[in-house]
Amino acid sequence: AQSVTQPDIHITVSEGASLELRCNYSYGATPYLFWYVQSPGQGLQLLLKYFSGDTLVQGIKGFEAEFKRSQSSFNLRKPSVHWSDAAEYFCAVGVSGGYNKLIFGAGTRLAVHP
Amino acid sequence: GAGVSQSPSNKVTEKGKDVELRCDPISGHTALYWYRQSLGQGLEFLIYFQGNSAPDKSGLPSDRFSAERTGGSVSTLTIQRTQQEDSAVYLCASSPSGGPNEKLFFGSGTQLSVL
Repeated sequence: AQSVTQPDIHITVSEGASLELRCNYSYGATPYLFWYVQSPGQGLQLLLKYFSGDTLVQGIKGFEAEFKRSQSSFNLRKPSVHWSDAAEYFCAVGVSGGYNKLIFGAGTRLAVHP
Repeated sequence: GAGVSQSPSNKVTEKGKDVELRCDPISGHTALYWYRQSLGQGLEFLIYFQGNSAPDKSGLPSDRFSAERTGGSVSTLTIQRTQQEDSAVYLCASSPSGGPNEKLFFGSGTQLSVL
């Protein structure tokens, strides 16, 4: 069965530091992969997605993610974190062959210290 | 246009009561999803509607949960005889046609508390 694992429940970084949020998936075929962000009091917003082509994808707010098939990973990165990036981040895999039924990870809560 | 709208934003109910949660998707979006977000957990898929097709109900946790979508637009999620474990944020999302790589547009959710 498809599944998504986000190993880090909480991460704290200093403003200006680099960030990497881990995501591992389990899926038999080529996956559709997504990162969503949930800021306090706001709905989920798509950061970026991968479904084919270049394995390094760029998203909004300066985020990027790299698809590594050999590691079944889709880690999210940002070179310099801003205080406004404090939020909860969800990785998701889309089940292909039908519709966009997303399987979400449990999320990683990011705190940013000034 | 407007985004996905959910109402109410908060609902407090007593155990055993029925509740109805409403979702207005983005106009023109044919695909509509319900997810549940429990404290400290990820989003759990509940149900999917696409146009006039039969919905995918595979994620509904029990027969106390049901949902309908009238006229291909507004959807209502109904929970009968609520239990404390039903307490969660219920999120609705829509997308233009339900394609596997489409962006989902989420509402702000309904926070359900069962006392």
